Parts: sequence; C-alpha cells; structure tokens
Amino acid sequence: EVKLVESGGDLVQPGGSLRLSCVVSGFTISNNYMSWVRQAPGKGLQGVSVIYSGGTTNYADSVKGRFTISRDNSKNTLYLQMNSLRAEDTAVYYCASHPTSGHWGQGTLVTVSS
Amino acid sequence: DIQLTQSPSTLSASVGDRVTITCRASQSISSWLAWYQQKPGKAPKLLIYTASSLQSGVPSRFSGSGSGTEFTLTISSLQPDDVATYYCQHYNIYSETFGQGTKVEFK
Repeated sequence: EVKLVESGGDLVQPGGSLRLSCVVSGFTISNNYMSWVRQAPGKGLQGVSVIYSGGTTNYADSVKGRFTISRDNSKNTLYLQMNSLRAEDTAVYYCASHPTSGHWGQGTLVTVSS
Repeated sequence: DIQLTQSPSTLSASVGDRVTITCRASQSISSWLAWYQQKPGKAPKLLIYTASSLQSGVPSRFSGSGSGTEFTLTISSLQPDDVATYYCQHYNIYSETFGQGTKVEFK
C-alpha cells in the first residue's frame, strides 16, 4: 500500500523558517518525480516545487530563492525547507508523486502570522 | 508560463444531469493534462490523466477529452457524491500548473 505522510506544519512568525517532511512508503522516491503543492485557505491548488528522479529541481516564482526541495533516499523522505516565510505562504502543503500516479498525502498546515 | 482557465467557476445541476467542465490552456500542452476532484478538508483525488485516461477505481461516469489547448471533463450522470470542486492540472518536466477550480453543487 502506498502512503505519503506529511509533518512539520506549524504557526511561525513572518521571516521565520520551517521544514516540512513527507515520509513515503510503498515506492522508492529516488526513482520518482515528487512534488509539493499548496492550498491557501479557501483558495485553489498551487504547485510549489518538484524534484525529478535525477535530482533536478524546479520552483514556483513566488518561492524561488526561499524554499528548497530535497530528499533523503535512505529514509525515503521528501523535504521542503521554507525560509523567509511570508503571510501569503499560509496554506495546507501536500506532497505528491507523479501526477499520473494519484498519490497524495493528507497535507500539513503552515500558518505564517505574528 | 502556461496558464489554465476553467469554466464555469461554479456549476449548479441536478442529480442525473450531464455536467461538462472546460479547461483552456494559454498554449498547446498536447495531452499533458489531469483532472482532480477535491472535497472539503481532503486531498485532491485523481480522476483523469493524459487528458482522457480514467484512473483506476474512478467511476465510468467520469470522462475526459481534448488535446492542445481545450479540454473537457464530463460527468455523464451527476450523483450526490460528485458535489466537490474540480481542478485541471498541466504537468511537464518544468512545473505543475492548476486551473482555478470549478465548484459543482446541487441546484
């Protein structure tokens, strides 16, 4: 059975940092495209970052230079390091595998507020 | 960057109605399009990938069509469980882009 379990969401002040984790079971993330998608309260879905099997990464313009996607193959875990957080980064963050797989986590809430 | 525009934003229909949602891309995306269903408080659920392939386990009343810049998601006979928000998504080697969503509700 495939499972993706996110954690690390929290209340953080503007300018602060947070690291999200996504523990994956049922397939090997090093061989797969993995992504982070977020959804602000009451809003639609937004692609945040992707990492390909070869290690290449891409970011949405709104997070470029502030967020870093990475993975630990030994732990089969995906990460999102978020620095210089802003109020507009407040959202539920989902990890997901390739769009054709249909595998998503349940999400973790990040709230940026003073 | 490729933009996806869904229409309508909200759709009211009755049980048994045929429902169609459109997703238009700002430039050709071949068939690299997926459709998701999302219910409140839940993660999106994949319905359709590569524009017209039905995800395993998804009821056959859902279907997708189109290529290039215009795509449609059709629910052939709306059921109570289909009340949700639907999103299209373009995916390629660079990024993922979502449409703004279509909320389907009962009339």
